[in-house]
Amino acid sequence: DAGVIQSPRHEVTEMGQEVTLRCKPISGHNSLFWYRQTMMRGLELLIYFNNNVPIDDSGMPEDRFSAKMPNASFSTLKIQPSEPRDSAVYFCASTQIDRGLVRAFFGQGTRLTVV
Amino acid sequence: GENVEQHPSTLSVQEGDSAVIKCTYSDSASNYFPWYKQELGKGPQLIIDIRSNVGEKKDQRIAVTLNKTAKHFSLHITETQPEDSAVYFCAADGSARQLTFGSGTQLTVLP
Repeated sequence: DAGVIQSPRHEVTEMGQEVTLRCKPISGHNSLFWYRQTMMRGLELLIYFNNNVPIDDSGMPEDRFSAKMPNASFSTLKIQPSEPRDSAVYFCASTQIDRGLVRAFFGQGTRLTVV
Repeated sequence: GENVEQHPSTLSVQEGDSAVIKCTYSDSASNYFPWYKQELGKGPQLIIDIRSNVGEKKDQRIAVTLNKTAKHFSLHITETQPEDSAVYFCAADGSARQLTFGSGTQLTVLP
C-alpha cells in the first residue's frame, strides 16, 4: 500500500480564495482524521470520520472550514474563504484498529500558505 | 477529554548520549500510548507504542516506559545518532479511543 496520500503537497493562495485539500486513506482503514500543525499550537485535531460519517468536528476552527468523506477512499477539507491565519501544514491520518489499539498513519501533509 | 502534556519542548544532546522525553496524561481510561517521529517535511510516523498492561517496551535503541499510577510515560533513546534529530510526539488514546497528541519535542543530536 502507498500509505495515506495527500494532495497537493504545497498550496499558495490569496486571501479570500477557496482552498480544497484532498486525502486518500489507506485501504481498509475505517477512520480518518484531519489535523492542523502550526508552531504556536502544535498538532490540532480538526475533525474525524468513522466509516465515512463525521463523528467529532469540535476542532474545526470556524464555519469557513468544512470536511467531507463521500466514500471510504476519499476525503476533502475545504476552507472558504481562506485567511492568512489559516497558513499551516494540514495532515490527514487514517487509523487501523489492531487488537483494540488505534494505530494512526499520517500522510505527508499539505503546506498551505495564504497571502 | 484527554489532555497530554509533553516535556521538554526542545532537547539537544551530544551524539552517543541518551535522550529522554516525558509525557503526562489525564484520562485514567487511556490504555494505549504511541510515540511518533516527524522528520523535516514529512508526516509523523509511528516508531514505538505501549499498552497499559505493560510497564516497559524496547526496540533496539528506543524504549518506552509507562507508570499508570502516576499517569506518565517516557521515551528513551540511547546512543543517539544525527539521524535521530526530529520532532517527537507522544499520544494517548483516552476513553474515546482517539489519539490526543502532546505538543512535540524538537530533538537535536549534535555531532
